[in-house]
Amino acid sequence: QVQLQESGPGLVKPSETLSLNCIVSGGSISGDSSTTYYWNWIRQPAGKGLEWIGRIYMSGGSTNYNPSLKSRVTLSVDTARNLFSLKLTSVTAADTAAYFCAREAFSLPGYSFDSWGQGKLVVVSS
Amino acid sequence: QSALTQEASVSGTVGQRVTLSCIGNSNNIGSYAVAWYQQISHGAPKTVMFGNSLPSGIPDRYSASKSGTTVSLIISGLKPEDEADYYCSTWDYSLGAWVFGGGTKVTVL
Repeated sequence: QVQLQESGPGLVKPSETLSLNCIVSGGSISGDSSTTYYWNWIRQPAGKGLEWIGRIYMSGGSTNYNPSLKSRVTLSVDTARNLFSLKLTSVTAADTAAYFCAREAFSLPGYSFDSWGQGKLVVVSS
Repeated sequence: QSALTQEASVSGTVGQRVTLSCIGNSNNIGSYAVAWYQQISHGAPKTVMFGNSLPSGIPDRYSASKSGTTVSLIISGLKPEDEADYYCSTWDYSLGAWVFGGGTKVTVL
């Protein structure tokens, strides 16, 4: 069974870049001959709902981003280390949130998030 | 402002049936299956329903229905362990993005 684990700094200064990794274990980030995956980042400010940040195809060849964050977000995949990464630039206090990584996979009737990390709290403060 | 609209809260007594709704439009719910995620104490969300499919390990007290661009999650025979936040989510092809509802807090009285 695949497991996801977020890692990275829990404190980032305003105007700097938030960087997180999601380590995938128990399965290949590249999928196999019969499965395709997208790897996603989702965040949740304290006391608020879930907000999708973006996703990257398992080969790293395609990305989609939340239009409201697109100018500040970059996702990447490292197949050799079986992890994918998030970079969010020019952060402010509004970016303080728990950041979740999640696998998007196909299972009838379509694609959904079938595996999630436990979440990483990132606080933006000087 | 979430792309999908959910009630902020729903409550019920043990054994009661509760219904959570998720309202979208033709770009999202009208075109794609909707997943429901349960989140307890801001932990990792867990899928409790996808379309009309019940994931392995989820009790059949959970069911779903759809009418146009509104989907509903029904919890029958409410139990204390059902107390959680529930989020609906689907793809929106106009936005080219995954969208979530604002979440419904289910309280078991």
